[in-house]
Amino acid sequence: AQKVTQAQTEISVVEKEDVTLDCVYETRDTTYYLFWYKQPPSGELVFLIRRNSFDEQNEISGRYSWNFQKSTSSFNFTITASQVVDSAVYFCALSEAKGGTSYGKLTFGQGTILTVHP
Amino acid sequence: DAGITQSPRHKVTETGTPVTLRCHQTENHRYMYWYRQDPGHGLRLIHYSYGVKDTDKGEVSDGYSVSRSKTEDFLLTLESATSSQTSVYFCAISESRVTAGASDTQYFGPGTRLTVL
Repeated sequence: AQKVTQAQTEISVVEKEDVTLDCVYETRDTTYYLFWYKQPPSGELVFLIRRNSFDEQNEISGRYSWNFQKSTSSFNFTITASQVVDSAVYFCALSEAKGGTSYGKLTFGQGTILTVHP
Repeated sequence: DAGITQSPRHKVTETGTPVTLRCHQTENHRYMYWYRQDPGHGLRLIHYSYGVKDTDKGEVSDGYSVSRSKTEDFLLTLESATSSQTSVYFCAISESRVTAGASDTQYFGPGTRLTVL
């Protein structure tokens, strides 16, 4: 069975600090996909990134960066120079590959509540 | 943004009453999913659909049924609502343009907050 663990329930930082959100996953699949979603206080779920299991290159998008390490089954998310608008719940998720009886179902972590104080 | 709407957005009902939540998409995507969000659990899959009239159970399907009679609509029904079904319900859709062995990104609707008294 697939499992995603976000051990940090809540993180509180002051604006301009860097912050890393941890995500550890378990799967028996050799092909899988990892995602991060953001849920701001308004409640919607916003897609941030998708990575497949064959691509371990780190990715940077503005102040956001992601570190994927298959050796430790981790897909961590770093926000550089955090801002108040980054305050949200962040979810890491794992998807099996489609094919056969697989339909891309997502398994989510419990979420990390990030609060950025001015 | 993906064209996904959910109705109603908020609902309060009483234990034992039937409830139907609707997810409507304008993207013509093949795959649709229902999740529930509860504190400490993240989002958990209830049911999903991989085509019209093709549905299957997810992780937490007990007490729920679904139907998909056309591509754009995916209905979630609580036959007899219980207080444990108080939650926020999210619908999601994903594309099917990739071949087997891939996984499309799921895009989520705005959510429905359901309270069962």
